[in-house]
Amino acid sequence: DAGITQSPRHKVTETGTPVTLRCHQTENHRYMYWYRQDPGHGLRLIHYSYGVKDTDKGEVSDGYSVSRSKTEDFLLTLESATSSQTSVYFCAIRSGSIEQFFGPGTRLTVL
Amino acid sequence: QKEVEQNSGPLSVPEGAIASLNCTYSDRGSQSFFWYRQYSGKSPELIMFIYSNGDKEDGRFTAQLNKASQYVSLLIRDSQPSDSATYLCAVRRVNRDDKIIFGKGTRLHILP
Repeated sequence: DAGITQSPRHKVTETGTPVTLRCHQTENHRYMYWYRQDPGHGLRLIHYSYGVKDTDKGEVSDGYSVSRSKTEDFLLTLESATSSQTSVYFCAIRSGSIEQFFGPGTRLTVL
Repeated sequence: QKEVEQNSGPLSVPEGAIASLNCTYSDRGSQSFFWYRQYSGKSPELIMFIYSNGDKEDGRFTAQLNKASQYVSLLIRDSQPSDSATYLCAVRRVNRDDKIIFGKGTRLHILP
């Protein structure tokens, strides 16, 4: 599993509330990614990080922010959750120069 | 044109037969190609990657790459019911933003 954990694994929240998802890795990988996966859309990149405090936007970054203050943690925040952000969120890391491995996922429901 | 295209399926294959999964990509600058397997309710699992034209074999899996045709495929020999899953094709765009772009996946169903 490349030493990746995500928390929480499941969350139900209400529209307008802030939500933070955490990705934690134990193997000192430089690159970390947040994706969302939705039926009909596949995996889409939200934000990624190429080092501590170095982050950049992906293709669906609106409504999301990220922070990486430590190598091992990459946080994804929904400032004000909307129903369209109901999804499964996956964190991933890049191991070496090529391979990308995924965490177990967080299922988020926004009511 | 979508960057990475796959037939969504489902692709039904009898047990023991060869399953052939296909993927096309639009960016000629793409240099690394990946196949992930995803079981329902689970995270994607990397099963193969290839970056040179030709074939790469790993056990029952063979990845094939044809850069001139912008085509990558995955063959699964001696298909087993445990191979039933969604298979995601992914492409890394080196020399651009180095991001991995995923196809939407092909659902494979192995018939016992």
